[in-house]
Amino acid sequence: KNQVEQSPQSLIILEGKNCTLQCNYTVSPFSNLRWYKQDTGRGPVSLTIMTFSENTKSNGRYTATLDADTKQSSLHITASQLSDSASYICVVSAGFNKFYFGSGTKLNVKP
Amino acid sequence: GAGVSQTPSNKVTEKGKYVELRCDPISGHTALYWYRQSLGQGPEFLIYFQGTGAADDSGLPNDRFFAVRPEGSVSTLKIQRTERGDSAVYLCASSLTGTSGRKTDTQYFGPGTRLTVL
Repeated sequence: KNQVEQSPQSLIILEGKNCTLQCNYTVSPFSNLRWYKQDTGRGPVSLTIMTFSENTKSNGRYTATLDADTKQSSLHITASQLSDSASYICVVSAGFNKFYFGSGTKLNVKP
Repeated sequence: GAGVSQTPSNKVTEKGKYVELRCDPISGHTALYWYRQSLGQGPEFLIYFQGTGAADDSGLPNDRFFAVRPEGSVSTLKIQRTERGDSAVYLCASSLTGTSGRKTDTQYFGPGTRLTVL
């Protein structure tokens, strides 16, 4: 069964600290993996996209990694800011236009 | 506007009624997607359009749900005989060409329509 699981479900960190969010997937055939940021009441916004041949991709303070062998990805946030408080969703695409979404990690950055 | 827009932003209806949700994609984007998101969950795929045709409607939960995109731009998601379980945020996204094989294509999401069925 094609699944995307994210951990932790929620996370609270202090402003300025780093954190890492995890994504494990069993989707096949793998096409690409995306991380999205979703602010409350808004649609998701793409942070990174990685194909099977890419094992790291950065977007400012966000760095995503991908291990296609173990089917794991992580999103590392450096020097967190209050505006990073949001849900972070891992999405794995299979074949042609099949997208499998994780349930997201809800990050709360406190001052 | 430059982004994906959805109307209405909120819709409250009674069980058994018919509703239509509208999505205006980014101009020039050929691919359009509908998703449903329940509270605390990630979006769930419903249907994907490439141009005017529904290339994949395997995510539609049952025949009460239908979507159209007659001119290859604006799309309407139609729900008949609404049930309380249909309550969710309905998200629309568009991308320039649609993902194909291992090519990547960013999806841009609208703000969603929050549907509440009483």
